[in-house]
Amino acid sequence: EVQLVESGGGLVQPGRSLRLSCTASGFTFGDYTLSWFRQPPGKDLEWVGFIRAKGYGGTPEYAASVKGRFTISRDDSTSLGYLQMDSLKIEDTAVYYCGRGAGGSDYWGQGTLVTVSS
Amino acid sequence: DVVMTQSPLSLPVTLGQPASISCSCSQSLVHSDGNTYLNWFQQRPGQSPRRLIHKVSNRDSGVPDRFSGSGSGTDFTLIISRVEAEDVGVYYCMQGTHRPFTFGQGTRLEIK
Repeated sequence: EVQLVESGGGLVQPGRSLRLSCTASGFTFGDYTLSWFRQPPGKDLEWVGFIRAKGYGGTPEYAASVKGRFTISRDDSTSLGYLQMDSLKIEDTAVYYCGRGAGGSDYWGQGTLVTVSS
Repeated sequence: DVVMTQSPLSLPVTLGQPASISCSCSQSLVHSDGNTYLNWFQQRPGQSPRRLIHKVSNRDSGVPDRFSGSGSGTDFTLIISRVEAEDVGVYYCMQGTHRPFTFGQGTRLEIK
């Protein structure tokens, strides 16, 4: 069974950093692009970025709103994906989801809440 | 960025009746590889999004056949042939052709 589980969310002050993890199971993690999305409370979904599978270069791409502040990485040996979030802003408050694949992820995790507040 | 405009934003439906959601895009979603990466997602209350349809009309595994997708170019439609109570939630179209990938504003389906 394909599963994705996010972890690492919590309360953080503006300007600080946080790293989210995405633990994958039930499929060959290294064969797939890993995407990140977010959803502010009561609002709509937003694509954050993705990291390609190594077979497609292993390179990341980002939404303009997070480029230069967020970094997506992966460790195929442990089936883990990461979202490093630096210089956090209040408007980064959201539930963060990881998803399998790009262009329309077919499996999503349950999400982890990140609250940026002083 | 590609702007995705859904209508209606609120959709009250009687059980057993059909429902239709439209998604209009600001530019063609035909990719250079010939595919059209238009997806539909369902988000039930308190849950994460679930993909229902990919590449316009392909139903995902386990999705009931009362859900269908159609369209081309810039205009797409999700149809639920007979609404059931478990269909309550918010429906989003999402394009995966042009980066940044973008979502519609969501259509909230409720039972009348």
